[in-house]
Amino acid sequence: GDSVTQMEGPVTLSEEAFLTINCTYTATGYPSLFWYVQYPGEGLQLLLKATKADDKGSNKGFEATYRKETTSFHLEKGSVQVSDSAVYFCALMNTGNQFYFGTGTSLTVIP
Amino acid sequence: DGGITQSPKYLFRKEGQNVTLSCEQNLNHDAMYWYRQDPGQGLRLIYYSQIVNDFQKGDIAEGYSVSREKKESFPLTVTSAQKNPTAFYLCASSIEGGLSSYNEQFFGPGTRLTVL
Repeated sequence: GDSVTQMEGPVTLSEEAFLTINCTYTATGYPSLFWYVQYPGEGLQLLLKATKADDKGSNKGFEATYRKETTSFHLEKGSVQVSDSAVYFCALMNTGNQFYFGTGTSLTVIP
Repeated sequence: DGGITQSPKYLFRKEGQNVTLSCEQNLNHDAMYWYRQDPGQGLRLIYYSQIVNDFQKGDIAEGYSVSREKKESFPLTVTSAQKNPTAFYLCASSIEGGLSSYNEQFFGPGTRLTVL
């Protein structure tokens, strides 16, 4: 069945460091891929998405490229800030509107 | 402002009691979802509904029930049959519930349920 695997945390970085959170997926067909962010005590917010191979999603300095050949959608940011501290979820959606989420990666950015 | 509201934000329940979590959306979305979130386990789908008066079980439906009498409302009842109900519950919606739809899900702020 469809599934998403993302790197386990927690991840701790200093401010202005480079961030990569790995995400790989297993799916039939051509899923859409998403990154969601969850701040403490809140629901999930869509961060970015890509709906087809080679698409790059970007928002707030974060980027991820849909790589069909490696079935990956890694999240990157060139310079993290303290306000980026949150839990990040990779997700895919296939036909039928069924979502599959990764287990989440906790990021803490220290000043 | 359009969005999804969940109430209450915090809920306490005694063992053996049923409790209903509210989820309302004014986005005119057809599809709605309930997820459970436990530490280190990500989100697990409880129930989902693609249209009014219809819903399907997700991966962990046992001990839960739902109804979808109105498009904007999708309440979740946690019954006494749910053995470990303490968790963070998230409601979500998306534009369409049919096939070939590639729309993101919008999430509510969540309800934290604690069984005493």
